[in-house]
Amino acid sequence: DTGVSQDPRHKITKRGQNVTFRCDPISEHNRLYWYRQTLGQGPEFLTYFQNEAQLEKSRLLSDRFSAERPKGSFSTLEIQRTEQGDSAMYLCASSLEGDRGKGEQFFGPGTRLTVL
Amino acid sequence: SQKIEQNSEALNIQEGKTATLTCNYTNYSPAYLQWYRQDPGRGPVFLLLIRENEKEKRKERLKVTFDTTLKQSLFHITASQPADSATYLCALPPASSASKIIFGSGTRLSIRP
Repeated sequence: DTGVSQDPRHKITKRGQNVTFRCDPISEHNRLYWYRQTLGQGPEFLTYFQNEAQLEKSRLLSDRFSAERPKGSFSTLEIQRTEQGDSAMYLCASSLEGDRGKGEQFFGPGTRLTVL
Repeated sequence: SQKIEQNSEALNIQEGKTATLTCNYTNYSPAYLQWYRQDPGRGPVFLLLIRENEKEKRKERLKVTFDTTLKQSLFHITASQPADSATYLCALPPASSASKIIFGSGTRLSIRP
């Protein structure tokens, strides 16, 4: 399967714990995005990378959230000191930007986080 | 800031009829607009992209229109089937950044046999 993969698919944690999610994009894609989605809403942009550079971060993203893409391939999203309000589906997407790309994003299956 | 409005109420359509979903946006006019399909518990799947200089785009039973004067896109599914039941999201780049897209809240479509 050459699509976007995310791990884990589900995570249950207690309030105050740290969690880390991983995203493996489509291999030739140079852009990687993280989104958060709650029930009945569309995906909400969190941050994106062009290769290994994090180019934009949502103002809604608190300092408890950090993302990395160390070698321009896979990415991790870490949430420190989780709160119940962090419970959501965390989606990763990748795309090929520039002349070769058509602008569409390819999404992974998501990681569902539940904070108790 | 950019706002995207999609019908928050679910749309129920009889099989075989044409489903029409609406996406309205405010403020500036984006260079393109995208439509995605999302099934429960899964990530969105890209369907179509329409650029500002295109009034209409088709792909099999799907048709998208883009009216930059009305600031509206319509998404049509002709000869609808129960398998078309899903949530449909429109997305467009905000004025502040050409490198990302923002999504509407989606419209849930149900096709009854």
